[in-house]
Amino acid sequence: AQSVSQHNHHVILSEAASLELGCNYSYGGTVNLFWYVQYPGQHLQLLLKYFSGDPLVKGIKGFEAEFIKSKFSFNLRKPSVQWSDTAEYFCAVNAYNQGGKLIFGQGTELSVKP
Amino acid sequence: EPEVTQTPSHQVTQMGQEVILRCVPISNHLYFYWYRQILGQKVEFLVSFYNNEISEKSEIFDDQFSVERPDGSNFTLKIRSTKLEDSAMYFCASSELEVANTGELFFGEGSRLTVL
Repeated sequence: AQSVSQHNHHVILSEAASLELGCNYSYGGTVNLFWYVQYPGQHLQLLLKYFSGDPLVKGIKGFEAEFIKSKFSFNLRKPSVQWSDTAEYFCAVNAYNQGGKLIFGQGTELSVKP
Repeated sequence: EPEVTQTPSHQVTQMGQEVILRCVPISNHLYFYWYRQILGQKVEFLVSFYNNEISEKSEIFDDQFSVERPDGSNFTLKIRSTKLEDSAMYFCASSELEVANTGELFFGEGSRLTVL
């Protein structure tokens, strides 16, 4: 069965620090990859997605992620976080031949100290 | 910006009672989904719905669960006889295209269900 692992449960950073959140998935076929963000009290929002092409994808608010197929990874990065980035971040995978469902990781809570 | 809306935002019910969670997807979207997140656990897929029928469902989505699009705008999740373990945040989502074909899911804010 497919699964998604996010290595960090809770990350605490100071403003201007660099961020990297790990995401690994287990599935041997073609996948579509996503990062969603949930700000406190709000709904899940798409941060960025990878379907094909350049494995380095850029999303909203200065976030980017790199798909490394050989490592089954899709890590999220931001060079300099802000207090407003405090949120929960979810990695998700859609297996290309398995319909429309997303398989989510357990989420990483990011707290940015001002 | 169009959004997915869900009601109620929080519902408290007694074990064994029926619950209906309501969702209004984005108007031109064709694919509809329910996910849930038990406190402290992963967001889990429950069911997807397209062309007025279930296209896929998870093991969680047993006979106690049903979905319906009664009037062309609402998309409902019914739990026939709630159990304690049904306590969770339930997220509705919709997409214009199937996710596998570059579709993006738009999520509602969730309905928190507490079963006592």
